[in-house]
Amino acid sequence: RKEVEQDPGPFNVPEGATVAFNCTYSNSASQSFFWYRQDCRKEPKLLMSVYSSGNEDGRFTAQLNRASQYISLLIRDSKLSDSATYLCVVGPISGGYNKLIFGAGTRLAVHP
Amino acid sequence: SAVISQKPSRDICQRGTSLTIQCQVDSQVTMMFWYRQQPGQSLTLIATANQGSEATYESGFVIDKFPISRPNLTFSTLTVSNMSPEDSSIYLCSVDFLKEETQYFGPGTRLLVL
Repeated sequence: RKEVEQDPGPFNVPEGATVAFNCTYSNSASQSFFWYRQDCRKEPKLLMSVYSSGNEDGRFTAQLNRASQYISLLIRDSKLSDSATYLCVVGPISGGYNKLIFGAGTRLAVHP
Repeated sequence: SAVISQKPSRDICQRGTSLTIQCQVDSQVTMMFWYRQQPGQSLTLIATANQGSEATYESGFVIDKFPISRPNLTFSTLTVSNMSPEDSSIYLCSVDFLKEETQYFGPGTRLLVL
């Protein structure tokens, strides 16, 4: 089993749609959780951290369920510029340093 | 956050040769990391670059193949040695800060080995 698993995608949605991505992680000792965004041929960039209480940043809402080891990202009112690959990231797992484990990513394509 | 640069941004190399990639940060950082992202895949951690000591390598990666230096708190190099076509990939450095839990990435180096 992969340490971080994501919806395979791709998700093709029209502008204005609401889309949700799911992610599960295998190690219950994981302490921190993130969503990164990676545009084509670019480096990953932090989109938002994910907290147990859930957090929202504009059109983006992230949720964490520690009991189920499940993370989600909801994007409302999709824009063309949201088209990218979304990476679910978990860490640290061990070692006392910030070792991040990346999911394979879910590709989102927003069309007019 | 920090401004992170990598050199070269891309290269095409012959098999059997070596390439050294540089990563420069505009401020002192706690940790520096090197990742590989193969075509269509996610990121895989190669090693943690430790300042003043040998790098810590992840399973499947060895120092002879990927020697790493980190002479100070703002600079690191990764060498891809004795390259083969399987080493064609994007190599990214990342940094984190003691007070933050997450990492910031450099723009990456696109390597093609013929």
